[in-house]
Amino acid sequence: SQELEQSPQSLIVQEGKNLTINCTSSKTLYGLYWYKQKYGEGLIFLMMLQKGGEEKSHEKITAKLDEKKQQSSLHITASQPSHAGIYLCGADNTDKLIFGTGTRLQVFP
Amino acid sequence: GAGVSQTPSNKVTEKGKYVELRCDPISGHTALYWYRQSLGQGPEFLIYFQGTGAADDSGLPNDRFFAVRPEGSVSTLKIQRTERGDSAVYLCASSLAGAGIQYFGAGTRLSVL
Repeated sequence: SQELEQSPQSLIVQEGKNLTINCTSSKTLYGLYWYKQKYGEGLIFLMMLQKGGEEKSHEKITAKLDEKKQQSSLHITASQPSHAGIYLCGADNTDKLIFGTGTRLQVFP
Repeated sequence: GAGVSQTPSNKVTEKGKYVELRCDPISGHTALYWYRQSLGQGPEFLIYFQGTGAADDSGLPNDRFFAVRPEGSVSTLKIQRTERGDSAVYLCASSLAGAGIQYFGAGTRLSVL
């Protein structure tokens, strides 16, 4: 069965700093989704990647899928307190998503 | 509706009781999913509906768990003889078709005492 490992598990950064979260799959990724979760708000869709080498950006968040399609990274530029939350990567697995355990991000002023 | 709606937002019950959790998907979305999220973990798949039928129920942990979607819209997750280990956040998601972006509700936090 497919497994996703996220690193780091937890991250504390000062406002304005850049950061990267990684997601590594035990099998080839055919669709990789990034979500953000805040307490009581469920999962908020951020980005979807499907092609090897693909890169997408939205505001200050950039996500990439490597050429071999087994690893994805999420990069935040100039972090803000609003970026705080749990970031989850999810792999498309025959119509369902397999999720990593998440990365908890805290941003302090 | 504008988004996926789940009710109740919180449910506290006693061990052995029966509970029902409701999910109202985004209007027009034919695919509906249930996931369970334990503390500190990512969501785990339970069941997937395409229209009224369960296309994949491989994630249901045992026969105490059952879900229906009789008219292809609202879905109900039913848990019989609840156990303390069932305590978790139950998330519902919907998408336009079987493959596509899944949009999640805020979840139902179930606590079994």
